[in-house]
Amino acid sequence: QLQLQESGPGLVKPSETLSLTCTVSGGSISSSNYYWGWIRQPPGKGLEWIGSISYSGSTYYNPSLKSRVTISVDTSKNQFSLKLSSVIAADTALYYCARPLREWLLKDAFDIWGQGTMVTVSS
Amino acid sequence: EIVLTQSPGTLSLSPGERATLSCRASQSVSSSYLAWYQQNPGQAPRLLIYATSTRATGIPDRFSGSGSGTDFTLTISRLEPEDFAVYFCQQFGNSPWTFGQGTKVEIK
Repeated sequence: QLQLQESGPGLVKPSETLSLTCTVSGGSISSSNYYWGWIRQPPGKGLEWIGSISYSGSTYYNPSLKSRVTISVDTSKNQFSLKLSSVIAADTALYYCARPLREWLLKDAFDIWGQGTMVTVSS
Repeated sequence: EIVLTQSPGTLSLSPGERATLSCRASQSVSSSYLAWYQQNPGQAPRLLIYATSTRATGIPDRFSGSGSGTDFTLTISRLEPEDFAVYFCQQFGNSPWTFGQGTKVEIK
């Protein structure tokens, strides 16, 4: 059964770069044709799609974050990663990685989610 | 950006009652690109419904979705204790994908 697990620092200083990794287990990124996504949820608030990446590395970002976001995939490690630069307090959130329901579809609901990792932006 | 407005913000009901949750979009959303999620405290969202009305694997048939255009509805026919949670709608037809702010279904 496919599982996703986020990892990375829980505390990042303002103006620095937030870096998170999502490790995929129970399946291979390179042998499937899914788009892999990042979503975040500020404390007590709703969900925000950050961006998605295809198995081949094509990226799609939320325009509101595009200037600061980089999503990449490392098929050799069966991981994909998120970098968010120049962070501010408003970037404090629970960050989830997720996989859509169906292969080949960028436009699809997210079916499998990691447990989420909390990142706080504070000096 | 398509804004999704969910109502009510909180729904207070008793087990066994029917819950009707609304999701209104600021512009038309193709029915293929509308989903609903359930989130319990401390947990990741769980996909309930996609393509407006198709239940995800393992989702009980007391959950149903309907709607078109700008108005979508999630109905829980008879609330079970485990259904008291927060529910989000999401559209992924137009970038950026967006979520509603959520409806909390609480025990009355």
